[in-house]
Amino acid sequence: QIQLVQSGPELKKPGESLKISCKASGYTFTDYAMQWVKQAPGKGLQYMGWINTQTGKPTYADDFKERFVFSLETSASTAYLQINNLKNEDTATYFCAMGFAYWGQGTLVTVSS
Amino acid sequence: DVVLTQTPPTLSATIGQSVSISCRSSQSLLHSNGNTYLHWLLQRPGQSPQLLIYSVSRLESGVPNRFSGSGSGTDFTLKISGVEAEDLGVYYCVQGTHAPPTFGGGTKLELK
Repeated sequence: QIQLVQSGPELKKPGESLKISCKASGYTFTDYAMQWVKQAPGKGLQYMGWINTQTGKPTYADDFKERFVFSLETSASTAYLQINNLKNEDTATYFCAMGFAYWGQGTLVTVSS
Repeated sequence: DVVLTQTPPTLSATIGQSVSISCRSSQSLLHSNGNTYLHWLLQRPGQSPQLLIYSVSRLESGVPNRFSGSGSGTDFTLKISGVEAEDLGVYYCVQGTHAPPTFGGGTKLELK
């Protein structure tokens, strides 16, 4: 069965960087794009963008064009979200998703001094 | 970007009651290829979102048929015919017709 398994929770200080992983299984990784979605505490879902798993080309939504980097390790069927120069407002749960039918379990990121 | 407005923001229901959620789009979601990419998700507390309905009215595999979707153009509705306890959570509409995809603000379904 199709599964997306994300890395564990992160606690970081402002200005630091982090990298979240999303390991896919149960399908051919390069057949479908991978999307990223942000959910701030108690808030709704916000689309961050997607990465073409065949070419590695990322596309970012307007709010995520600075400091956010999508990447792949195709041989490991894994997608990554890197956030640089973390800010308090980056505190959120981040989801990877294949279409809207398959979602990772979410990774909680807490940014606090 | 397309704005999706969901109403009501909160819905209180008793078990067995039928309820509806509205999702209104700032522009038509009819794609030039003839499809309408408006979907419905349920996020139960502490869980990832789950796809319920895709392309307006198509029931995702494994989803109970008490869930149904309808609508066209800019106005869409999710109906639950007989709420069950496991249906509690936040419902989101999401559109994939126009880039970037956008989500509605959510409707929280609570027990009355």
